[in-house]
Amino acid sequence: GDSVTQMEGPVTLSEEAFLTINCTYTATGYPSLFWYVQYPGEGLQLLLKATKADDKGSNKGFEATYRKETTSFHLEKGSVQVSDSAVYFCALKRLTGGGNKLTFGTGTQLKVEL
Amino acid sequence: SQTIHQWPATLVQPVGSPLSLECTVEGTSNPNLYWYRQAAGRGLQLLFYSVGIGQISSEVPQNLSASRPQDRQFILSSKKLLLSDSSFYLCAWSYAASGETQYFGPGTRLLVL
Repeated sequence: GDSVTQMEGPVTLSEEAFLTINCTYTATGYPSLFWYVQYPGEGLQLLLKATKADDKGSNKGFEATYRKETTSFHLEKGSVQVSDSAVYFCALKRLTGGGNKLTFGTGTQLKVEL
Repeated sequence: SQTIHQWPATLVQPVGSPLSLECTVEGTSNPNLYWYRQAAGRGLQLLFYSVGIGQISSEVPQNLSASRPQDRQFILSSKKLLLSDSSFYLCAWSYAASGETQYFGPGTRLLVL
């Protein structure tokens, strides 16, 4: 079945450092890929998405490129801020079955310090 | 614009008591609706989803049930709570036809004692 694997956290960075959070997936065909962010005590918010190979999703300085050859969708940001501290979830939309269901990774906690 | 509400925000219940968590969506019609559970330090587990009134699909066997009595209302229930039901419960919606993106509510933190 479909699955998403994320690097384990927590990831601790200093402000203005470069961020990479790895995400790889297993799926039949070409799923749509997503990054969601969850700030403390809140629900999830869509951060960015890509719907086909070589697409780049971007938002708020974050980027991720859909790499079909490596089945990856790594999240990057050139300079993180304290306000980026949150849990980041990689997800894919299942291609089988109805209901637009998503499969999520286990999440990676990011802590940014001054 | 569309909004999604969940209540209560926090709930403490004794073991064996019933549960009812409510989720409502405003500003859209015939959305797909979802209930997720997020245990501490773990990812999201899809519990139920619904593509229409009275249509519920269960993803995992458990002590919980879901109902959709109205188009934009989704309820998560239990007749008798277990300690293991303690978790953070999230409701989400998406457009039915082209809805890849899911929009999440603020969540309900449930503690069963």
